[in-house]
Amino acid sequence: DAGVIQSPRHEVTEMGQEVTLRCKPISGHDYLFWYRQTMMRGLELLIYFNNNVPIDDSGMPEDRFSAKMPNASFSTLKIQPSEPRDSAVYFCASSLLFWWQFFGPGTRLTVL
Amino acid sequence: AQKVTQAQTEISVVEKEDVTLDCVYETRDTTYYLFWYKQPPSGELVFLIRRNSFDEQNEISGRYSWNFQKSTSSFNFTITASQVVDSAVYFCALSETTQGGSEKLVFGKGTKLTVNP
Repeated sequence: DAGVIQSPRHEVTEMGQEVTLRCKPISGHDYLFWYRQTMMRGLELLIYFNNNVPIDDSGMPEDRFSAKMPNASFSTLKIQPSEPRDSAVYFCASSLLFWWQFFGPGTRLTVL
Repeated sequence: AQKVTQAQTEISVVEKEDVTLDCVYETRDTTYYLFWYKQPPSGELVFLIRRNSFDEQNEISGRYSWNFQKSTSSFNFTITASQVVDSAVYFCALSETTQGGSEKLVFGKGTKLTVNP
């Protein structure tokens, strides 16, 4: 079975550009999570969805970040406009049981 | 706020040595869960174990074992007879119930384990 799929795996962009990260969760999973990993702050939860509905977005750093889940098999995390401090690895995870989260391979974002 | 401390930033051992990764947590919740995840060089996090706060029994899974001690708020992870494939970053995590009633995982900063042949 396919795991969590994220695209792109690597993204390099210039400051001010819009960035869209994509995630396809494991089929049948009700929960979808977006995390960000940096050396300074470690792994942080940005937002999570349950049955396509955003439940907790308190980790979203600011209005430049937005996430959507239009259906059970797809989610996006958008940054507009991007800034160098947004450079990080962004993980998507999904789960059937909230606590047993399966992580995707991550998207390494570099904002120049 | 909940907090997870992994004091060991990096550990380096020689193959076949035993190694223990420390995790200390802070929480005000009476019911909570503790987790360990492994992040190999490929990057994705892999779930290893979940323990709930009412179950203090140690757990063993092959070469892996976990020691949960509520009295010291610790949930340590031991790898016996380490192997090169164990090289990874290991994260300890704690469940947190937010003021808004939602739940989330709070991760420690991770311990990078290098097992040398």
